[in-house]
Amino acid sequence: SQQGEEDPQALSIQEGENATMNCSYKTSINNLQWYRQNSGRGLVHLILIRSNEREKHSGRLRVTLDTSKKSSSLLITASRAADTASYFCATDLAGGADGLTFGKGTHLIIQP
Amino acid sequence: DGGITQSPKYLFRKEGQNVTLSCEQNLNHDAMYWYRQDPGQGLRLIYYSQIVNDFQKGDIAEGYSVSREKKESFPLTVTSAQKNPTAFYLCASTPRQKGNYGYTFGSGTRLTVV
Repeated sequence: SQQGEEDPQALSIQEGENATMNCSYKTSINNLQWYRQNSGRGLVHLILIRSNEREKHSGRLRVTLDTSKKSSSLLITASRAADTASYFCATDLAGGADGLTFGKGTHLIIQP
Repeated sequence: DGGITQSPKYLFRKEGQNVTLSCEQNLNHDAMYWYRQDPGQGLRLIYYSQIVNDFQKGDIAEGYSVSREKKESFPLTVTSAQKNPTAFYLCASTPRQKGNYGYTFGSGTRLTVV
């Protein structure tokens, strides 16, 4: 079953601009994580935010979590061409079986 | 450097054949996972293992089998019962199950039925 849904499905911006991706989910979570995937490669963990946290930063990344709306956003500031990739949110369900549940991802293209 | 190694990178299977995908980690992680990714889709959980000699079915386990004889290794067999096996397969690990840890992923195996 699909827990997380990213929005938009695809995003194209100019280098230097900020990119915002959103994720919605359906049931209670322990934490929500964001991953990056370059074409044909494995996923790279970017950031984890716990259910009792509202905002987290890591370098040019900023993640917010609103558990009342069951949504999260990932902001990449001052984008670079190397940020071109697919970005996935994944949820660790509270009280659920092990294993993260992934959305379908947002494909981000940074135009030089 | 610690990490997860998946092999082979590309695998071709004939109809009716079983094939085994390798996943090895040197991170001393307890929990290991297999995911399947279809084009333009997210990842779907096939199997996971929290300790040696124990594993659980994920959302799409039919047509797949696994073993966990060693902590470092979690091979996945795609059997002939899997009707649509062409996909990108990803192995992952995390220190413990249901903890606040990110997953470490391998670089994947692309399986194609010929």
